[in-house]
Amino acid sequence: GDSVTQMEGPVTLSEEAFLTINCTYTATGYPSLFWYVQYPGEGLQLLLKATKADDKGSNKGFEATYRKETTSFHLEKGSVQVSDSAVYFCALTNGGSQGNLIFGKGTKLSVKP
Amino acid sequence: AAGVIQSPRHLIKEKRETATLKCYPIPRHDTVYWYQQGPGQDPQFLISFYEKMQSDKGSIPDRFSAQQFSDYHSELNMSSLELGDSALYFCASRPTRRDRAGDEQFFGPGTRLTVL
Repeated sequence: GDSVTQMEGPVTLSEEAFLTINCTYTATGYPSLFWYVQYPGEGLQLLLKATKADDKGSNKGFEATYRKETTSFHLEKGSVQVSDSAVYFCALTNGGSQGNLIFGKGTKLSVKP
Repeated sequence: AAGVIQSPRHLIKEKRETATLKCYPIPRHDTVYWYQQGPGQDPQFLISFYEKMQSDKGSIPDRFSAQQFSDYHSELNMSSLELGDSALYFCASRPTRRDRAGDEQFFGPGTRLTVL
């Protein structure tokens, strides 16, 4: 079945460091890809998305490009802030299966001042 | 902007009791999803509804049932609660298909269920 694999954390970075969180997927058809963020004690917020190959999703300085050839959707940010500390989930939905989300295991990011 | 509303936000129950979680989707959203997130885990899909009919089923135990009502709100009913049911339960909604751009789901804040 469809699945998402993302790098395990925790990831600890200093403020203004470069961030990469790797995400690869296995899916039949043409899934849409998402990054969701979960701040401590809160729900899931959509960070960015891409619905077809070569699309780049971006938001709040974060970017991810839908790479069909490598089945990847890596999350990047050029300069992280303390306020970016959260758990990041890569996810996919395949519209053919009514669109429920399949999540990766999550990567906890801690940014130190 | 209106968001997904879930109630209650916190719930404490004893083993073998029952619980009902409620979800009110964003107006003009006709699809509702339920997810369960155990401590330190990724959210797992339980069940979904489209236009008041069950549309897909995931890893929902037989002890749980759910429905979507005429006003599109949904309820997750949980019976014979077990310790392992302690988790964060999220509801998400999705716009009507004619308004849909992409497959984005909008999540509620979750209900934290603790079973003692």
